[in-house]
Amino acid sequence: AQTVTQSQPEMSVQEAETVTLSCTYDTSESDYYLFWYKQPPSRQMILVIRQEAYKQQNATENRFSVNFQKAAKSFSLKISDSQLGDAAMYFCAYSYTQGGSEKLVFGKGTKLTVNP
Amino acid sequence: DTEVTQTPKHLVMGMTNKKSLKCEQHMGHRAMYWYKQKAKKPPELMFVYSYEKLSINESVPSRFSPECPNSSLLNLHLHALQPEDSALYLCASRLGGVGFNEKLFFGSGTQLSVL
Repeated sequence: AQTVTQSQPEMSVQEAETVTLSCTYDTSESDYYLFWYKQPPSRQMILVIRQEAYKQQNATENRFSVNFQKAAKSFSLKISDSQLGDAAMYFCAYSYTQGGSEKLVFGKGTKLTVNP
Repeated sequence: DTEVTQTPKHLVMGMTNKKSLKCEQHMGHRAMYWYKQKAKKPPELMFVYSYEKLSINESVPSRFSPECPNSSLLNLHLHALQPEDSALYLCASRLGGVGFNEKLFFGSGTQLSVL
């Protein structure tokens, strides 16, 4: 079964500092996709970053980058120069195909607090 | 237009009521999703429609009935719900087709309370 584990229920960071959120996953598939989604208090899910498993190069989107370790099944998110607007619940997610459609399975989330 | 629009934003209903949630997108996406999210929990997949056909039903109770009348519209019909069904219901869409795994676009959700 495909599972996603986020071991940090809550994290905090000082504004302008760097923070890393952890995620591990379990799969027997060789080709899959991983995502980090952000859910602020408005509760709208917003894509932060996406990683294709077949790509060795780690994805980067401005201040957000990932450390993808395929053999270890680890997919951590690094947020540099943290801003107050980064405060949100962060979900790691795994995408795979079933029944002709693509399913997205989420971890339990990490609540990030940014302190001024 | 890069939005997924959900209505209503809030809904309160009794256990004997019948109500519907609506989701609309005009991005040409052909895969649409319903997720249920309880407070402080991750979203849980309920249904997936692909090219207007139901492709995944995650063993959801029959008191939830999805409908996809056309490629832009997704409904969730509710009947005889239980208080434990109170949650945020999220709709999402993606371009469609298998193997692309492009991102999901989410709506802002309908907060449902069942009394």
